[in-house]
Amino acid sequence: GAVVSQHPSWVICKSGTSVKIECRSLDFQATTMFWYRQFPKQSLMLMATSNEGSKATYEQGVEKDKFLINHASLTLSTLTVTSAHPEDSSFYICSARAAGNTGELFFGEGSRLTVL
Amino acid sequence: DAKTTQPPSMDCAEGRAANLPCNHSTISGNEYVYWYRQIHSQGPQYIIHGLKNNETNEMASLIITEDRKSSTLILPHATLRDTAVYYCIVRVANKLVFGAGTILRVKS
Repeated sequence: GAVVSQHPSWVICKSGTSVKIECRSLDFQATTMFWYRQFPKQSLMLMATSNEGSKATYEQGVEKDKFLINHASLTLSTLTVTSAHPEDSSFYICSARAAGNTGELFFGEGSRLTVL
Repeated sequence: DAKTTQPPSMDCAEGRAANLPCNHSTISGNEYVYWYRQIHSQGPQYIIHGLKNNETNEMASLIITEDRKSSTLILPHATLRDTAVYYCIVRVANKLVFGAGTILRVKS
């Protein structure tokens, strides 16, 4: 099946620094990717929809200047957590849908961010 | 907001069928029902999806009621590795919005 890969799988950073997480569709082109965040023992929360070649669409309550999303190609979307703080520590998960596909969404393995 | 409701947890004996219910009473006529599962600290895994007909694949069966207000995911022979959180999702405006899901514990 289709594979979505995230990198890094885990990262630890100091408070105030920025962290970039990559999401790649390995064997298909994805015009749309989605970014989720998951806190311990909670469900996934949709943060934003990343569209190739255009600006991301953010869900209500998600700060676009805090979570920068770039979808520069049909196989890569990046999420940058700017000026990270301990409360940004979370499990970040991306997903992608193949171009023209209205079926299943494929998820990456997730990236665990810990901000000290 | 999630458009589905699921029981918070269920237990199932190993080797038995696991039947996971989901209510989606406000579903619209052209909205699909998706099922995913998540094993601890991993990304969600696609299981199955359907619109109004029952669906079956190598992992599971999906039974959707005629009025489409509820559905049941069936794992025919549950194994210990099926222990996970199972999410029933109705796609809203091309997005998958997750609810709380059902914690399925398969016990030997």
